[in-house]
Amino acid sequence: EPEVTQTPSHQVTQMGQEVILRCVPISNHLYFYWYRQILGQKVEFLVSFYNNEISEKSEIFDDQFSVERPDGSNFTLKIRSTKLEDSAMYFCASSEDLGYNEQFFGPGTRLTVL
Amino acid sequence: TQLLEQSPQFLSIQEGENLTVYCNSSSVFSSLQWYRQEPGEGPVLLVTVVTGGEVKKLKRLTFQFGDARKDSSLHITAAQPGDTGLYLCAGGTGANSKLTFGKGITLSVRP
Repeated sequence: EPEVTQTPSHQVTQMGQEVILRCVPISNHLYFYWYRQILGQKVEFLVSFYNNEISEKSEIFDDQFSVERPDGSNFTLKIRSTKLEDSAMYFCASSEDLGYNEQFFGPGTRLTVL
Repeated sequence: TQLLEQSPQFLSIQEGENLTVYCNSSSVFSSLQWYRQEPGEGPVLLVTVVTGGEVKKLKRLTFQFGDARKDSSLHITAAQPGDTGLYLCAGGTGANSKLTFGKGITLSVRP
């Protein structure tokens, strides 16, 4: 069964460093998303991406964040200068164009900022 | 701001019991998903409901979308220890829009 994959599973970084989180969405899906979940809190939307453009972003997704689809399979989230409060699980999700919302999530990357 | 409230927050029951949990909002959603999440893992999609009043069954799990598309329920028949986990509901307002998640319901089924 097709699934969303994410790498790395765990990333430890120093405050102020740049990190890139990688995702491979399900191959026939057209819509891609990043969410995050701070420990013990709700899953929160960050950004959605379609047709090589950001279609929607939350107030969390400030200038320190960027997304890219560098080739036909990968979808990345970059945090330019990490802060302690960026420590969270980051989930990638994808969906196909069904006319209704059905998103499939990857296993997540645990980001720890020291 | 759209909010999804899930209740109860925690539920501990004996194997074999039935249970119903809820996902409520004051906002209308075009679709609603139920996910199950294990610690340290991503949400796994259980079901999507899109039509008011819709009922979907997944083995012993029955999901219903409210007539007004503002709420949903999950009923589990004869719960088993393998049902233990965090159940999340998430609503979308458009075909491929962002999902708004509830805080989740932590279910523990004792053998």
